[in-house]
Amino acid sequence: DADVTQTPRNRITKTGKRIMLECSQTKGHDRMYWYRQDPGLGLRLIYYSFDVKDINKGEISDGYSVSRQAQAKFSLSLESAIPNQTALYFCATSEGTGGVDGYTFGSGTRLTVV
Amino acid sequence: AQSVTQLGSHVSVSEGALVLLRCNYSSSVPPYLFWYVQYPNQGLQLLLKYTTGATLVKGINGFEAEFKKSETSFHLTKPSAHMSDAAEYFCAVSGSGGSNYKLTFGKGTLLTVNP
Repeated sequence: DADVTQTPRNRITKTGKRIMLECSQTKGHDRMYWYRQDPGLGLRLIYYSFDVKDINKGEISDGYSVSRQAQAKFSLSLESAIPNQTALYFCATSEGTGGVDGYTFGSGTRLTVV
Repeated sequence: AQSVTQLGSHVSVSEGALVLLRCNYSSSVPPYLFWYVQYPNQGLQLLLKYTTGATLVKGINGFEAEFKKSETSFHLTKPSAHMSDAAEYFCAVSGSGGSNYKLTFGKGTLLTVNP
């Protein structure tokens, strides 16, 4: 099994629908992150969580919410999806001691909003 | 605060030629620096990292990068490109130490390797 698992891998949804992207990890890391990737823009941070009770907005959190259900689970929700939220979404984890080992990424969820 | 600039959104080389992908960073504290690679339809994989110590770091698949503080650069190189190196490469920076550890990524450089 992968260290960081994202579900679903692909999703097409309609404008206005609520959708949840899920992430689970077996690394035992405290810190988890949600990024979106758009062509030519790189990865931009949506939300991050340093532990179950510590959740923080990233640079592009508008239109998104998150839930940290357990150390191993971090979900991203789009309350009312819009077409410009069409992107590749990545979940990542890191250790809680400065992150010298960098991040471990999931395989991504490709979301299309029509 | 940290930021990353990758010079060149697309680099094309011939098989066997030198690969050079440029990255410049800005950081208010001593940085940790990373290069990630993304193959088509896959997630990001750590290629190499600089945290402290030796400024020339070696990574997987024959890649290496040199941290140059005076130039605020962390360019990625490989002496001889292989077809399998075709991918998108991301440079990333974070601040060292403390609790406010988050990676900031560059916009990526797509590497094409021609036969």
